[in-house]
Amino acid sequence: ETGVTQTPRHLVMGMTNKKSLKCEQHLGHNAMYWYKQSAKKPLELMFVYSLEERVENNSVPSRFSPECPNSSHLFLHLHTLQPEDSALYLCASSQDGGGTPNEKLFFGSGTQLSVL
Amino acid sequence: DAKTTQPNSMESNEEEPVHLPCNHSTISGTDYIHWYRQLPSQGPEYVIHGLTSNVNNRMASLAIAEDRKSSTLILHRATLRDAAVYYCILNRDDKIIFGKGTRLHILP
Repeated sequence: ETGVTQTPRHLVMGMTNKKSLKCEQHLGHNAMYWYKQSAKKPLELMFVYSLEERVENNSVPSRFSPECPNSSHLFLHLHTLQPEDSALYLCASSQDGGGTPNEKLFFGSGTQLSVL
Repeated sequence: DAKTTQPNSMESNEEEPVHLPCNHSTISGTDYIHWYRQLPSQGPEYVIHGLTSNVNNRMASLAIAEDRKSSTLILHRATLRDAAVYYCILNRDDKIIFGKGTRLHILP
């Protein structure tokens, strides 16, 4: 148990579907993150939320839409995805996310997404 | 983004120490050196971090060169469960940017 739970673990969707990924952290942290991990590529930072406000958006296509209703929950809404969006989507949390370079990230196990 | 260089892969025998190197020649004075590892089918997990001095915890030791341009993660006694991808990262402005890491294989 890492303290960060992601659901579902696996998701298969068609290009016209709409789905959502959910992340919940039980660590009392104030910052949450979405990362994307494609096969044979490094993890890519997608979004950062600190105290429920988006503080980072790394030029992610609009077909990915994050939502952070409170500091414990983070969603990634997906619509009209492409096959190249198939990847492992990882959620993480940290204590503050406010620019402290000795912060530690705590990751969930990820959602393995396949877009057909 | 602050860049690190690591070997693509390494092998080690079980129950022997492992030294995982990382070069970060463009490190700035306020960059912390972080190490994470990713076991198969899991998200990355924090291993250790440091700024200037060597650091020890229950998982590993971190040896930082005097000029801070390189560091070494030391696993004192590798087990099969230590087989993973190990990432060396410079944490600058709280941006943890992952590289490709080193895939560590443990031989029984």
